[in-house]
This record gives sequence, C-alpha cells and structure tokens, in this order.
Amino acid sequence: GQQLNQSPQSMFIQEGEDVSMNCTSSSIFNTWLWYKQDPGEGPVLLIALYKAGELTSNGRLTAQFGITRKDSFLNISASIPSDVGIYFCAGLSFMGNQFYFGTGTSLTVIP
Amino acid sequence: KAGVTQTPRYLIKTRGQQVTLSCSPISGHRSVSWYQQTPGQGLQFLFEYFSETQRNKGNFPGRFSGRQFSNSRSEMNVSTLELGDSALYLCASSLFATANTEAFFGQGTRLTVV
Repeated sequence: GQQLNQSPQSMFIQEGEDVSMNCTSSSIFNTWLWYKQDPGEGPVLLIALYKAGELTSNGRLTAQFGITRKDSFLNISASIPSDVGIYFCAGLSFMGNQFYFGTGTSLTVIP
Repeated sequence: KAGVTQTPRYLIKTRGQQVTLSCSPISGHRSVSWYQQTPGQGLQFLFEYFSETQRNKGNFPGRFSGRQFSNSRSEMNVSTLELGDSALYLCASSLFATANTEAFFGQGTRLTVV
C-alpha cells in the first residue's frame, strides 16, 4: 500500500534542542495526523490537522498542514528525554476511508 | 471513555497454527482498521471495516482475514501461520473514516510465531 515519505528517518539530539520532521505525499490528503509510539505500545495521537495551511500546537509540539495538501511537518521545541520514541505521520485519503502512514522518525534525546 | 482494547496483548504460536485477534473500538466508533507493524516494514495496512463491511483491503495474502460484528468489535484471523507473521498487530478505531476524523490505536497484540 501507499506509504508517505517521512524524514528524517532518525535523529539524535541534545536535550533542549528543537526538532523538526516532515512528511510528503504524491497524493492530496484531507486530514493529517501525527502520532508518537513508544516501544511495544500502540501509537498515540499527538496532533490532528484538517485544513490546508492550518498550524496547530499541543504544548511543545507544533504541526502544520501544507498548503498543497501534500505535506505536513511536526516541530518539537526544547526536547526532553521523554520525547524519545518513533513519530509517525498519517494522511487520510481523499475518499475518506483509509489512513496512509509515514515510515516513521526515530528520535533519541541525549541528556 | 474507554480507549481501544486489543486482546490478547501477547501470543506465541507455532508455524501452521491459526490465530484470532480481537479489537474493541471506542464506544460509538464504527470504523476499525488493522495494521501489521514489523521493524523493517513500518505500519502495513491490512483491512478496514465499517458497519460490518470490509471497505478496504491491503496487499496481504488470503491467510489474513477479518470481520466486524454489529457492536463494531472486530476480529482478525491468520491461518497457517508463518515465521514472517511475527509482528505487532495494531487496530485503530475511527468515528467514521471521513474528513475531520481521527484514528485511535490500541496497544497492539504482539504475535510471535516459532
């Protein structure tokens, strides 16, 4: 099935640094979602975006729905050790009946 | 409000056996999707059910099947298990998978085939 291009694949950063990751697709999406997954657990929804150009924050997290509807980015400011995990983007197909997932960004925060 | 519940959390099966996994969505959610997650392949879409009907199916062999009941609970079945079926199986529930909807995941079932 279709997967979104998510980058970077992995990141190693110092505690306190800001992080940015993004997702791109060849298809238009109506909804973009960002998830965080801890080892052995299910992904947890962080932010949902519904309109092109929309910028939404959730604490230290900020995400934007690209104007072209084909991309989205997630920023994490002032990273802390508990930010460690794998971050996934997901796009809802135009038909509205399937989510497509990015390949994930593995984040390691060095204290 | 209870979240998505998947049972069991862990399973160990031998090659050739079959397995059934269960997913109870969030109350009121009618769409349930299933995913297979392995370290090298990320999240692979298996199928999606809405109101007891399979609306979408991913690129998996016929050994993988599913169903949804009238209360929206869903099961997936894998027959004739292979070593490569070892993975974390996740289900996600949505109110109805249209625009302005969100998908919420269960904790997953970790299947190990030996």
